[in-house]
Amino acid sequence: DTGVSQNPRHKITKRGQNVTFRCDPISEHNRLYWYRQTLGQGPEFLTYFQNEAQLEKSRLLSDRFSAERPKGSFSTLEIQRTEQGDSAMYLCASGNANTEAFFGQGTRLTVV
Amino acid sequence: AQSVTQLGSHVSVSEGALVLLRCNYSSSVPPYLFWYVQYPNQGLQLLLKYTSAATLVKGINGFEAEFKKSETSFHLTKPSAHMSDAAEYFCAVSADTGGFKTIFGAGTRLFVKA
Repeated sequence: DTGVSQNPRHKITKRGQNVTFRCDPISEHNRLYWYRQTLGQGPEFLTYFQNEAQLEKSRLLSDRFSAERPKGSFSTLEIQRTEQGDSAMYLCASGNANTEAFFGQGTRLTVV
Repeated sequence: AQSVTQLGSHVSVSEGALVLLRCNYSSSVPPYLFWYVQYPNQGLQLLLKYTSAATLVKGINGFEAEFKKSETSFHLTKPSAHMSDAAEYFCAVSADTGGFKTIFGAGTRLFVKA
């Protein structure tokens, strides 16, 4: 297992466009988290999946954001009608109840 | 509710000197505490974690941290800094060992001078 994989690593998009990011967790992990990290800040929690069920969503996750984890495997995070304020690093992490969260390398989004 | 405060957004040390990065937490339940390191344009890598066993926790790369309940602190130390330690360090608190509802501090950037 090569760890948590995120694609793409970088995305530049024009304001108003939709973007989708993918996260492939460590295969035996049933928990999956999405975080957003802006420059000079720590990661902020966005949402949490236990298997395929989305159990927690932050207030940061506006209605333009949606996340899915079909079949409890990979997850996607979609941002519709992107705004410049969405520019950030989007981090995915996976884990189990008895392990810490393992993080991917992130997807850096730049909205121009 | 849980929160984390990292004292000092930037810390600069000379190579070979002691590294001390400060973290104070607030938690209404017994906390699980973590230190992560992040290199530029990379994800977070776990350095060490406290899960209510030993209060002195040893991690990777020579780092260790001590959980002090009376001071609500979990400071990170390393006896001798190396140039490769230059990075951003995040303290985090969680509701369980699995990182559920992990709250991160704002981070401390460590500079190491030759």
